[in-house]
Formats: sequence, structure tokens, C-alpha cells
Amino acid sequence: DVKVTQSSRYLVKRTGEKVFLECVQDMDHENMFWYRQDPGLGLRLIYFSYDVKMKEKGDIPEGYSVSREKKERFSLILESASTNQTSMYLCASSLGGDEQFFGPGTRLTVL
Amino acid sequence: GENVEQHPSTLSVQEGDSAVIKCTYSDSASNYFPWYKQELGKRPQLIIDIRSNVGEKKDQRIAVTLNKTAKHFSLHITETQPEDSAVYFCAPGYNTDKLIFGTGTRLQVFP
Repeated sequence: DVKVTQSSRYLVKRTGEKVFLECVQDMDHENMFWYRQDPGLGLRLIYFSYDVKMKEKGDIPEGYSVSREKKERFSLILESASTNQTSMYLCASSLGGDEQFFGPGTRLTVL
Repeated sequence: GENVEQHPSTLSVQEGDSAVIKCTYSDSASNYFPWYKQELGKRPQLIIDIRSNVGEKKDQRIAVTLNKTAKHFSLHITETQPEDSAVYFCAPGYNTDKLIFGTGTRLQVFP
């Protein structure tokens, strides 16, 4: 079974803090993705990566950056957290041309 | 960019009835058409998908139909059961590498 894990289920941070969300997959998948999920807006793509050290902007990259130093790990970074970044963050991975497998999500609250 | 619309946003049916959810998209280059199911508090999971060279695909009680000319595809669930209650997302894309998720349909099946 594909396993995608995220570092935290719940996280509370203060405005202006630097926040790291980590995602690890154990199936040697090439592609990894970060989404945020908000009520009524569905899943919106923040960043994705096709390979180590490679990244591409998704639909809402502003305020976020990513890092992929190893194939199995994809990190999402909030350089200076703001209240409008309070959301559910979902990581996913896929083998090229195949379904995306999601992690359990991290519910981030920024106070 | 791709514009994805999903209707209805909520759907309530009696157990045993059928449910249909429709997804329209704008990018004629889309060639991959999946449906994801997200139960309350859980991660999205792929339930069925179809590629552009096929008009219909069925898997037990669920089916997906595609009309590429009109740029829409639909999820059909027959003989609904309470465990079908969830939020369903369409996510058309090109070669699955980048999916654009709809805003979701909340399906409630009443016993």
C-alpha cells in the first residue's frame, strides 16, 4: 500500500512565524503536490514537484515556498505565516501518469 | 487556465436511489477525468477515472461518462448506500500530472 504521511495533524502558529510542513511518501513516486483545502473552494494546488530539486508553481503559490532535497520528502514552507493561511493542507504523490495518493492532512491555525 | 465547475454542490437522496454529479471543464487539452471521494475527516481517495479515448467506465455501482465535445463528465452512483455519504470532487487534468479540483459535491444518503 502507498503510504503518504504528514508531520503533524494539527498545528497552531502565530502570525509572522516561519512554518514548515513536511510530507513523506514511501513508494518511490516521482511527483509530489501540496494543496490547501478550504470550505466551498475545493482543493487548490500550491506547488508541485516532478523530481528532486525541481518545483513548479501551482495556482496559489503566493506566501509559500517548497523544498525537495530527497525524492521521498516534499516540504511546504510558510515564510511568515498570516491568518489567511489558516487552512487544511494536503500533500499528495503520484507515479507519472497515475492517480494521486493523499496524506492525512495538516490542519494549520494561524493566530 | 482551466475552469472547473461541479454541480450540484449538495445532493440528498434516499438509500437505494441513484445519484448523478456533473463536472464541466474549459481546457480542451484535458485528457484525464478522475473522481475523488472524501469521507468526513479523511483524505481524498480516487474512486474511478476515465481517459479521453473512452466514453464510459463502470465499476460495480459507480460509473463515469465523458462527453468531450461538450466538455463535461459525470459520476453516477446507483443503489446508493449510507456509506456513499461523502464529498465528491472531480479533477480534470492533462496526463494526471496536474489536476484542477472542482469545489466538491456533498452527497447525503438517508436510510
